[in-house]
Amino acid sequence: GAGVSQSPRYKVAKRGQDVALRCDPISGHVSLFWYQQALGQGPEFLTYFQNEAQLDKSGLPSDRFFAERPEGSVSTLKIQRTQQEDSAVYLCASSLLETATYEQYFGPGTRLTVT
Amino acid sequence: GIQVEQSPPDLILQEGANSTLRCNFSDSVNNLQWFHQNPWGQLINLFYIPSGTKQNGRLSATTVATERYSLLYISSSQTTDSGVYFCAVELLTGGGNKLTFGTGTQLKVEL
Repeated sequence: GAGVSQSPRYKVAKRGQDVALRCDPISGHVSLFWYQQALGQGPEFLTYFQNEAQLDKSGLPSDRFFAERPEGSVSTLKIQRTQQEDSAVYLCASSLLETATYEQYFGPGTRLTVT
Repeated sequence: GIQVEQSPPDLILQEGANSTLRCNFSDSVNNLQWFHQNPWGQLINLFYIPSGTKQNGRLSATTVATERYSLLYISSSQTTDSGVYFCAVELLTGGGNKLTFGTGTQLKVEL
């Protein structure tokens, strides 16, 4: 079946602009995660949804970052007033959860460059 | 928080060689995954292995949860194996299902 998809794949924003990044998880997957990967680093956790409930947002770096998953499927990560330090690859992952195996599957990422 | 360390940080192999990558973690985990991040940035699932041993073709992995380490074995390496290998763990308690990634091993396989 189809994997996790993300759009856009690349985004260039001028400092101060707002951006919205979309994630389509694997169909039927209950859990959805956002991670941020800086150049040369491993991915770092941002936030976690179980269905439409945002259960953990401890990794969001500032109140300029906001995520939602209103119908428990597609999710959007929004960054307001982008700064240069927001430049990174944003990865989305999903997992089935209810089978009690927590294997996460990742999308291709959105590479955000703030100029 | 949990610490996840991988070794070696960098590895250069001749095609056909074998290698072992190591992942040490500082706390009990509920989930451990190995990923290969290809040059295009895609994270490819290699193993879901919170404990025990698994094999898939030229790759195998072993996790000894009680001693808090995991090993990834690559045999008869090919140039397409090049990229970064990450292990990632989920804390057994209080982790909230999120993965904490290791520092990665950058592998280059040369002809």
